[in-house]
Amino acid sequence: SAVISQKPSRDICQRGTSLTIQCQVDSQVTMMFWYRQQPGQSLTLIATANQGSEATYESGFVIDKFPISRPNLTFSTLTVSNMSPEDSSIYLCSVEEKGRTDTQYFGPGTRLTVL
Amino acid sequence: SQQGEEDPQALSIQEGENATMNCSYKTSINNLQWYRQNSGRGLVHLILIRSNEREKHSGRLRVTLDTSKKSSSLLITASRAADTASYFCATDKLPPGAQKLVFGQGTRLTINP
Repeated sequence: SAVISQKPSRDICQRGTSLTIQCQVDSQVTMMFWYRQQPGQSLTLIATANQGSEATYESGFVIDKFPISRPNLTFSTLTVSNMSPEDSSIYLCSVEEKGRTDTQYFGPGTRLTVL
Repeated sequence: SQQGEEDPQALSIQEGENATMNCSYKTSINNLQWYRQNSGRGLVHLILIRSNEREKHSGRLRVTLDTSKKSSSLLITASRAADTASYFCATDKLPPGAQKLVFGQGTRLTINP
């Protein structure tokens, strides 16, 4: 299975600032996804990060608030912009292993607290 | 409508007992996956069951899928303290080739020593 790392693992940020979260995979993958997990809640898909094109956002999420980069097949970033306390969540990236299992694997997550 | 409703929301059992968690969904699916999450950390993939499968086993895990009832169950046998975690089911709501997972609310499982 793919090995996924995220940086930072956690951060505490001030209101109004921005944080960029990195996701690195140890193999080339076609599909990368970004999810948000608010405190005590389940996971919600933010967007699909497409290599070579703009990310595809789910309803309720916009590029200005969550810009995403996908420069190659092993790396992606998610920026949480102009943060407010409501953005305090765990942010997780995931990748899909196509073909063999169609399984989706997740990174360890980034725990963000906004004061 | 929300996919992946799970019950119970919380389950507490004694070590050694079996734990059963259920997941229901509303629309047709391609795959259903179960994940474990320890204390708000990353998700660990447990098992994937395809829509044309009815039952899968992996170690102490047994997953069933009933597409006519749009439901799945996860059974953990001979539970251990280390099984204490939140368990989520996740379904893909699009045709094969674009897996956007929709997660249930999860079941918080506590194994008491």
